[in-house]
Amino acid sequence: EVQLVESGGGLVQPGGSLRLSCAASGFTFSSFEMNWVRQAPGKGLEWVSYIANRGSSIYYADSVRGRFTISRDNAKNSLYLQMNSLRAEDTAVYYCARRYCSSTACTHDYWGQGTLVTVSS
Amino acid sequence: QSALTQPPSASGSPGQSVTISCTGTRSDVGGYNYVSWYQQHPGKAPKLMIYEVSKRPSGVPDRFSGSKSGNTASLTVSGLQAEDEADYYCSSYTGSNILGVFGGGTKLTVL
Repeated sequence: EVQLVESGGGLVQPGGSLRLSCAASGFTFSSFEMNWVRQAPGKGLEWVSYIANRGSSIYYADSVRGRFTISRDNAKNSLYLQMNSLRAEDTAVYYCARRYCSSTACTHDYWGQGTLVTVSS
Repeated sequence: QSALTQPPSASGSPGQSVTISCTGTRSDVGGYNYVSWYQQHPGKAPKLMIYEVSKRPSGVPDRFSGSKSGNTASLTVSGLQAEDEADYYCSSYTGSNILGVFGGGTKLTVL
């Protein structure tokens, strides 16, 4: 059974840092690209970051570029998101999601349960 | 402002059919078959319901179907059931951004 379990969320002051983790199981983690997606309270979904299966390609949303760093450790079946210089507008539930690609298209077929990040003084 | 446009709400009675639209441009919805639909119940993670415009993952009831015409994709829920009440989000790949774009979400109410 595919499982994605996020951890590391919590309350942090503006300007602070936090590191999120996503533990993967039930599939060959190193074969899949991964994403972080967030959802502010009462709002819609927002793509945050992408990483290729071996980490060779990385992309960020404009809203987090220069402050967030995505990484992965395939030996530990884990995905990470280092978040620095946090702002109130970064307050959200953060989800990790597996990117599945067929021969014709890609989608995100499995999502974790999310971890809440609250940025407040 | 979301890149893809969805109606904020939709509703129907049990047993009826409801269609939710997702409008983009030739650069996203109209240009690729990467449209996906996600269902999200309150406090829960999104769940993939439709991918590649019209394909259903294993375990998703065939009451859920997807289609696309031009720059607009649609999700149809037939034979509405109480458990279908949730938020629905569309997503598409864009040629300029591997992250893709989401719609703003549609709250489906089963009357």
